[in-house]
Amino acid sequence: DVKVTQSSRYLVKRTGEKVFLECVQDMDHENMFWYRQDPGLGLRLIYFSYDVKMKEKGDIPEGYSVSREKKERFSLILESASTNQTSMYLCASSPRGRRQPQHFGDGTRLSIL
Amino acid sequence: EDQVTQSPEALRLQEGESSSLNCSYTVSGLRGLFWYRQDPGKGPEFLFTLYSAGEEKEKERLKATLTKKESFLHITAPKPEDSATYLCAVQAGYRGSTLGRLYFGRGTQLTVWP
Repeated sequence: DVKVTQSSRYLVKRTGEKVFLECVQDMDHENMFWYRQDPGLGLRLIYFSYDVKMKEKGDIPEGYSVSREKKERFSLILESASTNQTSMYLCASSPRGRRQPQHFGDGTRLSIL
Repeated sequence: EDQVTQSPEALRLQEGESSSLNCSYTVSGLRGLFWYRQDPGKGPEFLFTLYSAGEEKEKERLKATLTKKESFLHITAPKPEDSATYLCAVQAGYRGSTLGRLYFGRGTQLTVWP
């Protein structure tokens, strides 16, 4: 089974802090994704990566950056956390190619105070 | 503009009362349509992939079907443990790096009461 592991289930930070969310997958997948999920808004794509050191903006990249130095690890960085970034953050991975489902971690619930 | 629309937003069923969830999409060149189940506080869990109109997939009490404009997730004789949010996502026929991207609907929250 595919395993996507997010480093923290719950995280509380203060406004202005730099926040790192980590995601690791164990299936040698090329593609990795970061989403945030908010009530009534569904899943929104922040950034994705289709290879090491490659990244592409999703629909809501403002205030975020990412890093992919190794194939199995994809990090989401909140440069200067704000209260409107309080949310559930979900990481996913998939193999390269068409028709491949994404497999998700269990999420990090981030609260910015 | 939403590319994937799910209805209803919420559905309450009595145990054993069969029903269907709808997912309509407007992407060009559909590559695949995916159904996920999400329990509270968890990440989405992959259920099915459908590739072409007329295709059907089944798993226990769930059956997914696909037409050229929409997909249905049929739930037969549901049980309380089927309560969850069901998400639909599509993969469009774009090239290059965006090929792996999915476009998600907002989900249908299903509650099955005894």
